Amino acid sequence: QVQVVESGGGLVEPGGSLRLSCAASGFLFSDYFMTWIRQAPGKGLEWVSYISSSGVSIYYADSVKGRFTISRDNAQNSLYLQMHSLRAEDTAVYYCARVDVMVSHFDYWGQGTLVTVSS
Amino acid sequence: QSALTQPASVSGSPGQSITISCTGTSSDVGGYNFVSWYRQHPGKAPQLMIYDVSNRPSGVSNRFSGSKSGNTASLTISGLQAEDEALYYCNSYTSSSTWVFGGGTKLTVL
Repeated sequence: QVQVVESGGGLVEPGGSLRLSCAASGFLFSDYFMTWIRQAPGKGLEWVSYISSSGVSIYYADSVKGRFTISRDNAQNSLYLQMHSLRAEDTAVYYCARVDVMVSHFDYWGQGTLVTVSS
Repeated sequence: QSALTQPASVSGSPGQSITISCTGTSSDVGGYNFVSWYRQHPGKAPQLMIYDVSNRPSGVSNRFSGSKSGNTASLTISGLQAEDEALYYCNSYTSSSTWVFGGGTKLTVL
């Protein structure tokens, strides 16, 4: 069955960096766009970034543009989010999700990985 | 990239119907039929409930339905059940080739 599993979260100081990973299984990873979505503690969902199936098209939310980089390795069925210059407001659970084939919604989500930015 | 507007909370009794609205602009909700709805129980990942305005994924109860008029989309849940109590988020594709979520609506089953 379709599964996406995030890892790499943890505690990092303001200004620091962290790399999140998402391992996908149960589907042909190279056929699908993938996305990162986050949720600050007690807050709503915020779309962060997405990457096309080939990795050529990439988009970011304004709140992370210039600081975060999304990438993928289709040979390893993996999605990544490299985060730099982290701020307290980046503290959130980060979800990896598959974008459906029509690129209109997010059909499978992982359980999330918590990133805490604090000194 | 302003968030879509949802009511903070709605409530209903078991068996009743409720509707959650999601208001955007012509650059998102009004411009595309790419509106989706997600349910999130406490401590859990969001789950897709409606996509492309009114389509239900396999396995989602037909008590859930979606619609759109102009810049406002709506999620209706009929025959409310205790298990429906959760947070609900709308989402839309935008003219900037990004996505935007609503602020979320807490549904309480009385």
